[in-house]
Amino acid sequence: AQRVTQPEKLLSVFKGAPVELKCNYSYSGSPELFWYVQYSRQRLQLLLRHISRESIKGFTADLNKGETSFHLKKPFAQEEDSAMYYCALRTSGTYKYIFGTGTRLKVLA
Amino acid sequence: EAGVTQFPSHSVIEKGQTVTLRCDPISGHDNLYWYRRVMGKEIKFLLHFVKESKQDESGMPNNRFLAERTGGTYSTLKVQPAELEDSGVYFCASSQGRVGQETQYFGPGTRLLVL
Repeated sequence: AQRVTQPEKLLSVFKGAPVELKCNYSYSGSPELFWYVQYSRQRLQLLLRHISRESIKGFTADLNKGETSFHLKKPFAQEEDSAMYYCALRTSGTYKYIFGTGTRLKVLA
Repeated sequence: EAGVTQFPSHSVIEKGQTVTLRCDPISGHDNLYWYRRVMGKEIKFLLHFVKESKQDESGMPNNRFLAERTGGTYSTLKVQPAELEDSGVYFCASSQGRVGQETQYFGPGTRLLVL
């Protein structure tokens, strides 16, 4: 069965430190991977998707099919990055997301 | 442009009662989705409408859950009778476009607590 694993429930880093939020997936086909973010008192919103290969708010994520990973990275964390981050998988030809359990990122001053 | 809206924002009911959640998608979006996050677990897909038709209802947990989207606009999700394990946050999302090319926009969620 398809699955998304985010091993860290909570990740705390200091402002200016690098951040890496881990995401691994299990799916034998061609996946679509996404990162969604939920800031305090806001709704879930798309941060980035692997097919776009873009950097949003300084975050990047590279799909590694060999390691079945889609880790989210930022070289210098900011306090405003504190939020809940969800990795999501979509299998080919389907609309529905398969989410991980999420990682809460806390950026300390 | 108004985003996806959900009503109510919170609902507290007793086991055995009925609750109806409503979702208004972004205007013009044909795709409408329901997801649920039970405490401590991942956000799980419930079902997907394309206009008024159920495209995929593989995530609906059991027949106590009934989703409708009459006229292809807003959608309702009814839980009858509610059980304790139904507590969680129910999210609605909408999108427009073909699979692989669209982005799902989420509503703020409805927090349901069954006592």
